[in-house]
Amino acid sequence: GAGVSQSPRYKVAKRGQDVALRCDPISGHVSLFWYQQALGQGPEFLTYFQNEAQLDKSGLPSDRFFAERPEGSVSTLKIQRTQQEDSAVYLCASSLRRGGAKNIQYFGAGTRLSVL
Amino acid sequence: QQQVKQSPQSLIVQKGGISIINCAYENTAFDYFPWYQQFPGKGPALLIAIRPDVSEKKEGRFTISFNKSAKQFSLHIMDSQPGDSATYFCATLSGSGSRLTFGEGTQLTVNP
Repeated sequence: GAGVSQSPRYKVAKRGQDVALRCDPISGHVSLFWYQQALGQGPEFLTYFQNEAQLDKSGLPSDRFFAERPEGSVSTLKIQRTQQEDSAVYLCASSLRRGGAKNIQYFGAGTRLSVL
Repeated sequence: QQQVKQSPQSLIVQKGGISIINCAYENTAFDYFPWYQQFPGKGPALLIAIRPDVSEKKEGRFTISFNKSAKQFSLHIMDSQPGDSATYFCATLSGSGSRLTFGEGTQLTVNP
């Protein structure tokens, strides 16, 4: 009955380090989304999974960003060689169905990444 | 690169007053227009949504007005309460009906 869970809640990385952010979606949810929210801005789409298939990764800002969902449940967003501009809150959302207007996305609380 | 323009950036309202937030979109292919509410340290949560085949939808104190010809939609919060103080985002649904595009957000403060 829990909502979308993200860990860690806060991550501090030195520039150049690799980081991995985890998302546990609501049990049984088919779709999973990653968004990036810069300070004072709206979330921006990064990537979308339907079960284990990554159907849209057009929002990933560079090839340093990589996401996976190997078993169709838990997902990991990996950022290699972090840069200061990667500092943001990374939000994960899941939804019950494959898509469509009534497919409500439920968001986790996010992981706040600070790159020093 | 925002395809959804939201205003105002911030809004201060007295308790009991009406809060109005506006959004304008560009892509006529959008077919779902939700509003999200976000409290500090939390993820966005769906507040209310509308399809373009209706001009207004009301849920309790929250109303969406939709103007398809002007490509604009707005959120009205009646009898605003201090507990409504949060950041509000309009959004549109695009692509295969899965990718949300958010506005820049409006920080609402309701004074007691």
